[in-house]
Amino acid sequence: KNEVEQSPQNLTAQEGEFITINCSYSVGISALHWLQQHPGGGIVSLFMLSSGKKKHGRLIATINIQEKHSSLHITASHPRDSAVYICAAHSGGGADGLTFGKGTHLIIQP
Amino acid sequence: GAVVSQHPSWVICKSGTSVKIECRSLDFQATTMFWYRQFPKQSLMLMATSNEGSKATYEQGVEKDKFLINHASLTLSTLTVTSAHPEDSSFYICSARDPGPFQETQYFGPGTRLLVL
Repeated sequence: KNEVEQSPQNLTAQEGEFITINCSYSVGISALHWLQQHPGGGIVSLFMLSSGKKKHGRLIATINIQEKHSSLHITASHPRDSAVYICAAHSGGGADGLTFGKGTHLIIQP
Repeated sequence: GAVVSQHPSWVICKSGTSVKIECRSLDFQATTMFWYRQFPKQSLMLMATSNEGSKATYEQGVEKDKFLINHASLTLSTLTVTSAHPEDSSFYICSARDPGPFQETQYFGPGTRLLVL
């Protein structure tokens, strides 16, 4: 069974700072998701990646398959980025769901 | 992007009653949907995998007689919490697998918050 670890658990930063959230997993995967969960609980899928790097606006996600590690970066952070960021690993094949990290609670202060 | 809806978004019920939660994929057909549960300050945990036209696959420790899953069509899966108890109070989230033309992805519903009194 895959184990997904995220760090840090909590992060408070000032508006404009560059943010990095890390995710490591124990077993090879077919894809890794980065999700954003807002205070009300709703989840938005930010990225799904299986190799390399993806960028969407101020968000960048990278993955290193050999090292079993992924990072989510936020450039020019803004208070509206405050949320819980969750990485989730998809081991692939069959009908397996995702294995989730515990999440990183990010607060961006104005 | 693809949208997955859940209904209801909030439900409060008395202990011993049954609650049905619907998960719909709005603009794609999902042969596979997943049900997750999240307790406060904890990560999401997969409860079961719902396959259209066949029985759901439950994760270890999840009672299949208590959490009934029906995936009767390619756009609808339902989770029924039978004889709900206060310890079943949680946030229930579904996701739907979209095979896509090039890459498979999962889309998440907005979640259903259940409070059992």
